[in-house]
Amino acid sequence: AQSVAQPEDQVNVAEGNPLTVKCTYSVSGNPYLFWYVQYPNRGLQFLLKYITGDNLVKGSYGFEAEFNKSQTSFHLKKPSALVSDSALYFCAVRDIWGYNQGGKLIFGQGTELSVKP
Amino acid sequence: DGGITQSPKYLFRKEGQNVTLSCEQNLNHDAMYWYRQDPGQGLRLIYYSQIVNDFQKGDIAEGYSVSREKKESFPLTVTSAQKNPTAFYLCASSIDMRDRGEKLFFGSGTQLSVL
Repeated sequence: AQSVAQPEDQVNVAEGNPLTVKCTYSVSGNPYLFWYVQYPNRGLQFLLKYITGDNLVKGSYGFEAEFNKSQTSFHLKKPSALVSDSALYFCAVRDIWGYNQGGKLIFGQGTELSVKP
Repeated sequence: DGGITQSPKYLFRKEGQNVTLSCEQNLNHDAMYWYRQDPGQGLRLIYYSQIVNDFQKGDIAEGYSVSREKKESFPLTVTSAQKNPTAFYLCASSIDMRDRGEKLFFGSGTQLSVL
């Protein structure tokens, strides 16, 4: 079965410093990977996805993610963190059911990012 | 202004009571989903619907029921059989479920608490 893991419950970063939120995955076949962000008492917002192609994927709000097949990782990064980036971040992988079936999204447990001034 | 609307924002359930959470979308999406979010556990899929008049159980369907009579609407009923219903419930939609690269659009959620 497909799965994702976010090894850190919380990441603390100073404003202006680079940030990394980690995600590792386990899939059979080609992975379809996603990052979402959730602000307090809100729904999730899509940030970026990896389907195929370049290992560095660029997304919304200056975020990017690096796909590493050998390490089965899909870490979320940003060169310079903002206080407004503080939120809950979810990594997700598409669970493939079968031919012509998109499958459901399986989410990691989430990582709380805190950016301090 | 397109999107997904969930109501109410906060809901309280008395013991033995069924409650219904509303989810409406005007994105013309075929697929709709209900997720449950508990602190530290991420999101877990309750039910999903690929098309009108069809829906399937997700990973934690026990104690929940849904209907999909209209493309725009996918209400979730939390029945009295759900013994631990306190959670944040998220509705989502996507254009369809066949495209593996398709992203989900989420509503703002409903916080359900037990009195």
